[in-house]
Amino acid sequence: QQQVKQSPQSLIVQKGGISIINCAYENTAFDYFPWYQQFPGKGPALLIAIRPDVSEKKEGRFTISFNKSAKQFSLHIMDSQPGDSATYFCAAPPGFQKLVFGTGTRLLVSP
Amino acid sequence: EAGVVQSPRYKIIEKKQPVAFWCNPISGHNTLYWYRQNLGQGPELLIRYENEEAVDDSQLPKDRFSAERLKGVDSTLKIQPAELGDSAVYLCASSDQGAAGELFFGEGSRLTVL
Repeated sequence: QQQVKQSPQSLIVQKGGISIINCAYENTAFDYFPWYQQFPGKGPALLIAIRPDVSEKKEGRFTISFNKSAKQFSLHIMDSQPGDSATYFCAAPPGFQKLVFGTGTRLLVSP
Repeated sequence: EAGVVQSPRYKIIEKKQPVAFWCNPISGHNTLYWYRQNLGQGPELLIRYENEEAVDDSQLPKDRFSAERLKGVDSTLKIQPAELGDSAVYLCASSDQGAAGELFFGEGSRLTVL
């Protein structure tokens, strides 16, 4: 099964700072790379996703940067807020309607 | 619109006992997934349904796990007998076939096997 490697495992950022989480994948059946956000006791929820006909996608304070040749993509959270404290998962599709998730990054934004 | 509904939210059982989890997906979503999430890890796919058909069950431990999706709507995941290593959160998700990759997750069922 395809592996998706995510780093760092945990991250502490001060309020207002930039959070950066990286993801590397092996192979994909098609180009669709999402990030999911999970709060304690809840299921993951789609945060932002990119279809790499572009190298970057921005939605509010959240940006995905994609490097197809390196098989890597990253999540940037600008002006990080305490409410962003959660676990973030990247994912890659080895097949249609199938996602393999990374191991997760626990983000703590200190006030 | 209601999201993905799962029950029970929590279950504590002794090893070797059976357990079952239920999931009702978002109305109109043909694709249903069961994932297992171990503590501190990402979700791992157990089985995927397209309507009533299990199209990907390669990661389902078939000696003790079973699942069904009668009538192509709600689904049940069963473990019998449970082992200590089955302690995890079991997540159900659904998607619209037209939304490639976008999964909507329920809140999960947390299983503790003693």
